[in-house]
Amino acid sequence: DAKTTQPPSMDCAEGRAANLPCNHSTISGNEYVYWYRQIHSQGPQYIIHGLKNNETNEMASLIITEDRKSSTLILPHATLRDTAVYYCIVRGGGSQLIWGAGTKLIIKP
Amino acid sequence: EAGVAQSPRYKIIEKRQSVAFWCNPISGHATLYWYQQILGQGPKLLIQFQNNGVVDDSQLPKDRFSAERLKGVDSTLKIQPAKLEDSAVYLCASSFREGAYEQYFGPGTRLTVT
Repeated sequence: DAKTTQPPSMDCAEGRAANLPCNHSTISGNEYVYWYRQIHSQGPQYIIHGLKNNETNEMASLIITEDRKSSTLILPHATLRDTAVYYCIVRGGGSQLIWGAGTKLIIKP
Repeated sequence: EAGVAQSPRYKIIEKRQSVAFWCNPISGHATLYWYQQILGQGPKLLIQFQNNGVVDDSQLPKDRFSAERLKGVDSTLKIQPAKLEDSAVYLCASSFREGAYEQYFGPGTRLTVT
């Protein structure tokens, strides 16, 4: 079973920041938090990952709480093309990715 | 750089028939994954190859599913005989090495079993 809990759906206005929460209260010390997204009728796409420090790349920022029990993915300026299902996954070492149902993010004009 | 290629994109078969899916990973990627994604759910790993050896096939229904990766490059996933509950999208992914943080996914094959 997936080790994360995400809201099933969220809305965000175009141009605003989209903040997607994820709970992973049973995360172990060596497990990373990964985020992928899946646009309709496409395969999933890697976004970002982190262990305990906040991370930023050209797509998004990942904020992990100090106790590592939750995290937030931030899309700073959401566009219509960011409408997708976003998956938060906890993974340790070389173990497989175990996917939950994700959050369906709808960006509204 | 070319992405992960899969074919066919869509397939409709009747139950008890057989079907095969093909995947060509990104050049140089040693690890190849097959996932099954049922509508409304996240992907579920069926099998993972490292070069041409199987690393994990614990969730592959071996009575009807089989997969191979000849010469450590292309891979084929077969279902024989198909059941109604096999209707899903079958995703192929590859990564540079086992445990790499980024897996690259193909577009998937949508299978409908009637």
